[in-house]
Amino acid sequence: KQEVTQIPAALSVPEGENLVLNCSFTDSAIYNLQWFRQDPGKGLTSLLLIQSSQREQTSGRLNASLDKSSGRSTLYIAASQPGDSATYLCAVRGGSGGSNYKLTFGKGTLLTVNP
Amino acid sequence: GAGVSQSPSNKVTEKGKDVELRCDPISGHTALYWYRQRLGQGLEFLIYFQGNSAPDKSGLPSDRFSAERTGESVSTLTIQRTQQEDSAVYLCASSLDPGTDTQYFGPGTRLTVL
Repeated sequence: KQEVTQIPAALSVPEGENLVLNCSFTDSAIYNLQWFRQDPGKGLTSLLLIQSSQREQTSGRLNASLDKSSGRSTLYIAASQPGDSATYLCAVRGGSGGSNYKLTFGKGTLLTVNP
Repeated sequence: GAGVSQSPSNKVTEKGKDVELRCDPISGHTALYWYRQRLGQGLEFLIYFQGNSAPDKSGLPSDRFSAERTGESVSTLTIQRTQQEDSAVYLCASSLDPGTDTQYFGPGTRLTVL
């Protein structure tokens, strides 16, 4: 059974700092990995999707990497801003014997960026 | 264009009552998914629709939970005889291609069972 772990559970940083969020998964036979942002009352917003054949994806100040063989992904946020404050979720699609559509989520990292 | 919408946004009900939660996916998305997020827990997969068929219902927690989809569009998640442990945020997502495409999520329905 695929399991996803996110570290740390919570992170508080001053504005302008670069930071890294970590995600690990137990079964490396994934189809892709997705990072989401969750704001209260607004559901999930997809940030980056990395296919299993890719090593990283970039969007603006965000960079996500994927090391499938070791079961790890990182989300790098450059020059953090107070508006980045949210819960960041990592989700993987698939795993040995699993489906190619079901997402397995971590519990998230609650990020607070202080002005 | 319009994103995934869900209604109601909040629902408070008494234990033992039935509730219906609605999801309107993005137009043209053939795949639709329901997830549940209980307090302090990660999102749990409930059910997946491809068109109007549900090839995977493995995440439904009990036979009190059911879901349907019509017209390859709107989906309804029904919980019968609600229990307090059903309290959670229920999230719906849709995608063009279930295999590789991004899943787009709605804002969720917060269900509270008293």
